[in-house]
Amino acid sequence: QKEVEQDPGPLSVPEGAIVSLNCTYSNSAFQYFMWYRQYSRKGPELLMYTYSSGNKEDGRFTAQVDKSSKYISLFIRDSQPSDSATYLCAMDDYKLSFGAGTTVTVRA
Amino acid sequence: EPEVTQTPSHQVTQMGQEVILRCVPISNHLYFYWYRQILGQKVEFLVSFYNNEISEKSEIFDDQFSVERPDGSNFTLKIRSTKLEDSAMYFCAGQGSRDQPQHFGDGTRLSIL
Repeated sequence: QKEVEQDPGPLSVPEGAIVSLNCTYSNSAFQYFMWYRQYSRKGPELLMYTYSSGNKEDGRFTAQVDKSSKYISLFIRDSQPSDSATYLCAMDDYKLSFGAGTTVTVRA
Repeated sequence: EPEVTQTPSHQVTQMGQEVILRCVPISNHLYFYWYRQILGQKVEFLVSFYNNEISEKSEIFDDQFSVERPDGSNFTLKIRSTKLEDSAMYFCAGQGSRDQPQHFGDGTRLSIL
């Protein structure tokens, strides 16, 4: 079983739609959970950073963590064409373990 | 906002040659990392570095790889004798404390011919 599983997509949505992304993991030692956004030939850019189970909201972005199910989600409300990117989940156990990344296209 | 800076942005090297990838972390960061991403694959952990020592390294980080922070600012990754399979994007990341997120540079694209 892979340590972090993420559906690579691709995912294509119309502008204004809600984008829903998720990852599952197997390692109970993961303490911190992150979502990064990555544009082509650029480094991962931190979007959301959470520790405990529950929801965290930042503008149009909401991150959810369910440690009991080993499941994390990212929701993007009112999606814009500028949100088109690859979204990476990552989990911290003194080093980051990344998902494969989901490529999202928001159509104008 | 402070940034992690990596140079060069693209390095082309003949197989068997040594390469040094450079990173200038954010000034108040204490923990440093190298990751790599082979085209079309996941970002993979290579090595972590704290207090001038390697904290942890992956199976990828064999004797051909080394890291150092020679002057308290630059953080370097050296590959002694490059192989074709070393072709990848190499990302440097830094972290202020263990309960803060890691921040990444834009990477060095390493192409081995």
